[in-house]
Amino acid sequence: DIQMTQSPSSVSASVGDRVTITCRASQGISSWLAWYQQKPGKAPKLLIYAASSLQSGVPSRFSGSGSGTDFTLTISSLQPEDFATYYCQQANSFPVFGGGTKVEIK
Amino acid sequence: EVQLVESGGGVVRPGGSLRLSCAASGFTFDDYGMSWVRQAPGKGLEWVSGINWNGGSTGYADSVKGRFTISRDNAKNSLYLQMNSLRAEDTALYHCARVDTAMVTGYFDYWGQGTLVTVSS
Repeated sequence: DIQMTQSPSSVSASVGDRVTITCRASQGISSWLAWYQQKPGKAPKLLIYAASSLQSGVPSRFSGSGSGTDFTLTISSLQPEDFATYYCQQANSFPVFGGGTKVEIK
Repeated sequence: EVQLVESGGGVVRPGGSLRLSCAASGFTFDDYGMSWVRQAPGKGLEWVSGINWNGGSTGYADSVKGRFTISRDNAKNSLYLQMNSLRAEDTALYHCARVDTAMVTGYFDYWGQGTLVTVSS
């Protein structure tokens, strides 16, 4: 089974900072990767699919990159509404999520 | 507007059963695969089960295989999850999620708010 490992598990940042989150697959998944944002008490929201495609309505400060086993989610300039937990998900086979990265206020 | 509304959660004893439902609206239900994704209190996301557009293909996480059954009724725009032999570790918020294709797996572009299942004696 494919395992998804996210790092870091949490990050403290300030408004305006550039934030990078990494996701590593235990085997190659081509570009079959998505990123989700989840705020407390809310359902997850799809941000990025196919590793680098921005979901409709998602701000352009979010971007994704990578292929094979190593992937990155970047928030170019952190906004107050971006403080949340972020998950990666592989879609090469039955879905598996990463453990999550909590973006906290510094 | 796409809406997914789950129901059927509650408190059940270990070994018991529960049937979850998800009512879908705002899109052509039988054009899409659907899944159940759960989240234990304070924990991350775990895919539970998925079904393709016509119910002809399904998939399950190893943790629920043989105990849970996913199904759908396209005439009623509804998704179901029959959960048997429940264990304490099945305690979670269960989300219904739409797959972005007609297949069992893919990306989850719409989610419901979830229904809480608590397994406790």
